[in-house]
Amino acid sequence: GAGVSQSPRYKVAKRGQDVALRCDPISGHVSLFWYQQALGQGPEFLTYFQNEAQLDKSGLPSDRFFAERPEGSVSTLKIQRTQQEDSAVYLCASNRGPASGEQYFGPGTRLTVT
Amino acid sequence: TQLLEQSPQFLSIQEGENLTVYCNSSSVFSSLQWYRQEPGEGPVLLVTVVTGGEVKKLKRLTFQFGDARKDSSLHITAAQPGDTGLYLCAGGSNYKLTFGKGTLLTVNP
Repeated sequence: GAGVSQSPRYKVAKRGQDVALRCDPISGHVSLFWYQQALGQGPEFLTYFQNEAQLDKSGLPSDRFFAERPEGSVSTLKIQRTQQEDSAVYLCASNRGPASGEQYFGPGTRLTVT
Repeated sequence: TQLLEQSPQFLSIQEGENLTVYCNSSSVFSSLQWYRQEPGEGPVLLVTVVTGGEVKKLKRLTFQFGDARKDSSLHITAAQPGDTGLYLCAGGSNYKLTFGKGTLLTVNP
């Protein structure tokens, strides 16, 4: 594909439900990043993959958040037992590797927890 | 933790006006990036500044990196409605970016 795609674009979940957010990076991009962007804020780093290896998960807010990239391409961010404070836009980005500099962002998934 | 503070938080101007937005930190960054984000979209990279004192121009946009590599500014000349968006600065390691909260710019026709 031409760019990073994310699905769904919008997700409404009742508090306590589990959700799964998908990211399709640009083909051939080694590095993949997840960010959380609350309303009126800049994106905040959640986690980083190089190929299938999750090298940094220091930004995940709690153990309810889990990310995977089993084949080094598509990634899924899973949030268990969602809470209202999880409401945010979840952005995925990718690039060719650690020294690439620019990160290419997808349009994000807007999660609303009611 | 490296923090980036952006100012102003909101800016509403008329078409044709000039403006400057700022990105400041108490930490030294090896490089800073500026992104623009439009509603419902992800951020798009505008420029990366690397050298202290560096000035880069992108059409009507001028980016400057402070001599001490702790701050940066973005100046827009003769703003147009198409410049409307959230302007974010970001810095950090070669993979982990720290973003400021952004400046939300509205250019009214």
